[in-house]
Amino acid sequence: GAGVSQSPSNKVTEKGKDVELRCDPISGHTALYWYRQSLGQGLEFLIYFQGNSAPDKSGLPSDRFSAERTGGSVSTLTIQRTQQEDSAVYLCASSLNYGQGSSYEQYFGPGTRLTVT
Amino acid sequence: AQSVTQPDIHITVSEGASLELRCNYSYGATPYLFWYVQSPGQGLQLLLKYFSGDTLVQGIKGFEAEFKRSQSSFNLRKPSVHWSDAAEYFCAVGISGNTPLVFGKGTRLSVIA
Repeated sequence: GAGVSQSPSNKVTEKGKDVELRCDPISGHTALYWYRQSLGQGLEFLIYFQGNSAPDKSGLPSDRFSAERTGGSVSTLTIQRTQQEDSAVYLCASSLNYGQGSSYEQYFGPGTRLTVT
Repeated sequence: AQSVTQPDIHITVSEGASLELRCNYSYGATPYLFWYVQSPGQGLQLLLKYFSGDTLVQGIKGFEAEFKRSQSSFNLRKPSVHWSDAAEYFCAVGISGNTPLVFGKGTRLSVIA
């Protein structure tokens, strides 16, 4: 079936602008994760959703970052007043964590490369 | 909090040679352990995972990894490397099935003829 998809694949924005990054998880996956991959920092966890609620937001670097998930499916990561240090690849992953046949494997999307100029 | 160390930033091996990528973790109990591979411009693909049971796990593309509790290690191995294995490899740990993963910094593998 279809994997995790993310859009846009690339985004170039000016410093101070707001951006929205979208993630479509694998159908039926209950958990959704956002990570950020930047040079020198590796992969950093940002936020985790179980259904539509976010039990763990501990990785969001500042209050300029927010995320929501609707219908237990699509998630949007919003960065307000972007800064150059926000430039990175933003990765989304989903997993099926509950119920029969649950799997703890996180399946990753291709990422959105964000460049703030 | 748990942490993951991949001591080797970059490794170069000859095609056909064997490979071992090191991974050490810090956590008080047995974590969930994963190896992912990332090719240039691509997302992460799961190679293999360990949750419990047999400490030697087999994955895709001919990779295997061995969990050694006494050494807090989960090293990735492949007996014969192919040029297509050139990529970045990430070790990751989770403390339960539905928690975010903590990743190592990655090891970049180059394969030469």
